[in-house]
Amino acid sequence: SQTIHQWPATLVQPVGSPLSLECTVEGTSNPNLYWYRQAAGRGLQLLFYSVGIGQISSEVPQNLSASRPQDRQFILSSKKLLLSDSGFYLCAWSVDYPHPYEQYFGPGTRLTVT
Amino acid sequence: AQKITQTQPGMFVQEKEAVTLDCTYDTSDPSYGLFWYKQPSSGEMIFLIYQGSYDQQNATEGRYSLNFQKARKSANLVISASQLGDSAMYFCAMREAPWDQGAQKLVFGQGTRLTINP
Repeated sequence: SQTIHQWPATLVQPVGSPLSLECTVEGTSNPNLYWYRQAAGRGLQLLFYSVGIGQISSEVPQNLSASRPQDRQFILSSKKLLLSDSGFYLCAWSVDYPHPYEQYFGPGTRLTVT
Repeated sequence: AQKITQTQPGMFVQEKEAVTLDCTYDTSDPSYGLFWYKQPSSGEMIFLIYQGSYDQQNATEGRYSLNFQKARKSANLVISASQLGDSAMYFCAMREAPWDQGAQKLVFGQGTRLTINP
């Protein structure tokens, strides 16, 4: 069966510090991968998605970046965090077959920028 | 412009009652899909149900059904016989075509917090 991992689960970082959040998927090949952010009390906002290794599409211009060094690994990074980067970060995956419409989410990382 | 609107920030329902969570959407694309996700206090997002714009029948998954009214651009979630474990945030989401090589780009509403009272 497929599983998705995210770490760390929680993170407290000062403004201006770097960030690296990792997401890995097990039990599937060639997944589409996604990074979402959820601000407190709000819906999810798509930040990045990837359809293959090294292929990253950005939905929201900001000081975050994403990379996909391996088929089932997706990394969210920042060189200098802002207060507005605080939120709940969710990684998700989908496959084209048999259920292309379903996205499966990881447990999330709660980031607080102080 | 808001693409997904959920007008109920919070709802309180007695256990075993049916509940309807409202969702309206805005798109000019004839091909689209609508989703409902549940988010418990733990934060994980749980997929509940999907409705395609060309589907003739309303989608159903166990106690969940989606009341799809295309002309009104409405996709309400109906939970029958609510349970205490249904207490959570519920999000309506939409994907629009064209897909980017298979990626499903979802737009989410603000969510409705559902509380089931014993």
